[in-house]
Amino acid sequence: DQQVKQNSPSLSVQEGRISILNCDYTNSMFDYFLWYKKYPAEGPTFLISISSIKDKNEDGRFTVFLNKSAKHLSLHIVPSQPGDSAVYFCAAREQGGSEKLVFGKGTKLTVNP
Amino acid sequence: DGGITQSPKYLFRKEGQNVTLSCEQNLNHDAMYWYRQDPGQGLRLIYYSQIVNDFQKGDIAEGYSVSREKKESFPLTVTSAQKNPTAFYLCASSMWGYGEQYFGPGTRLTVT
Repeated sequence: DQQVKQNSPSLSVQEGRISILNCDYTNSMFDYFLWYKKYPAEGPTFLISISSIKDKNEDGRFTVFLNKSAKHLSLHIVPSQPGDSAVYFCAAREQGGSEKLVFGKGTKLTVNP
Repeated sequence: DGGITQSPKYLFRKEGQNVTLSCEQNLNHDAMYWYRQDPGQGLRLIYYSQIVNDFQKGDIAEGYSVSREKKESFPLTVTSAQKNPTAFYLCASSMWGYGEQYFGPGTRLTVT
């Protein structure tokens, strides 16, 4: 049973426009959420995170929004650049100290020049 | 220059052979993790270790073994008992209590 779901396998946007990547979760015990970016045949790179006590966190062009009541988070990239083309993984950590992360299956973002 | 190294980048083995994947970190992180990625799939946790000489099974530990004799090192052995060993293997580390895990470049294992 998937606890973290990224329902869009792919997303295509034009350079300069906004990219919105979505993630849904089912486990109400998750207390920390992260987004990673991954290029083929490389390890994921940490992008941005958000604690469950917040509803927004911003870092440059990247903003993550958390809607706890809907168990939904999203990553906004503005403006999108061709170098942002990669697979984006949403991950969640369960409170209680195990530090394990549960990952979604990823969304492949393509930013067209 | 701090980071996580995994070697080799590509590894080929015959079916029935055990193989050990290396993971070293110089970030002084307490915790280390091994994940497996298959095409179209997310990352699935194999094993993790919070401290030296201690480790726990993840979601897909069958057919794998690990050791944590030093803080910097967390090698993964893929045994012949692993039914589908061909995959991309990723090692990660983190400071315990902080959510962010930092990943190595990965090892692509192909078993034929």
